[in-house]
Amino acid sequence: GAGVSQSPRYKVAKRGQDVALRCDPISGHVSLFWYQQALGQGPEFLTYFQNEAQLDKSGLPSDRFFAERPEGSVSTLKIQRTQQEDSAVYLCASSLGASKETQYFGPGTRLLVL
Amino acid sequence: DAKTTQPPSMDCAEGRAANLPCNHSTISGNEYVYWYRQIHSQGPQYIIHGLKNNETNEMASLIITEDRKSSTLILPHATLRDTAVYYCIVRVGNNDMRFGAGTRLTVKP
Repeated sequence: GAGVSQSPRYKVAKRGQDVALRCDPISGHVSLFWYQQALGQGPEFLTYFQNEAQLDKSGLPSDRFFAERPEGSVSTLKIQRTQQEDSAVYLCASSLGASKETQYFGPGTRLLVL
Repeated sequence: DAKTTQPPSMDCAEGRAANLPCNHSTISGNEYVYWYRQIHSQGPQYIIHGLKNNETNEMASLIITEDRKSSTLILPHATLRDTAVYYCIVRVGNNDMRFGAGTRLTVKP
């Protein structure tokens, strides 16, 4: 079946621009996660949704980062006034249930801020 | 901070078993050990997970020591396509997973 998909796969933004990254989780998956992966590092947790509720946003690095999942399926990660340090791969993952289920990752969106 | 320690890199000959170690000496009784791998320019791929007992699936085997302070991921017959970064993760809670730097496995012909 279809896995987690993300779009766009690559995004180049000028410093100060706003960007929106989309995640389509596996159909029926309750939980959705966003991670940020800097070059040469492991992914770092940003935020977590259970259905439409954002239950944990402790990993969001600043108030320029905002995520939503209004209907409990597709999610959007928005970064306002992008900075060069926002350049990274943004990964989305989903899991079937709400508790310690295996997470399945999408291919990521590579963001480059110039 | 990640709760696991892994060697930064390892090499393995094609066709041989790859044994990837992981230390997790502070693991709690109800925390699972998960393994993922990440091939260049792709998202992390789930491999296997376990709590106490050894586990095996079509991809790999997971050996967890009796005291649960360490584990080993075994790829029984490594191929060139197994070249990737392998992450050993202890689930901190219900939500996020704490990835460390992982082990870069290079399978050589």
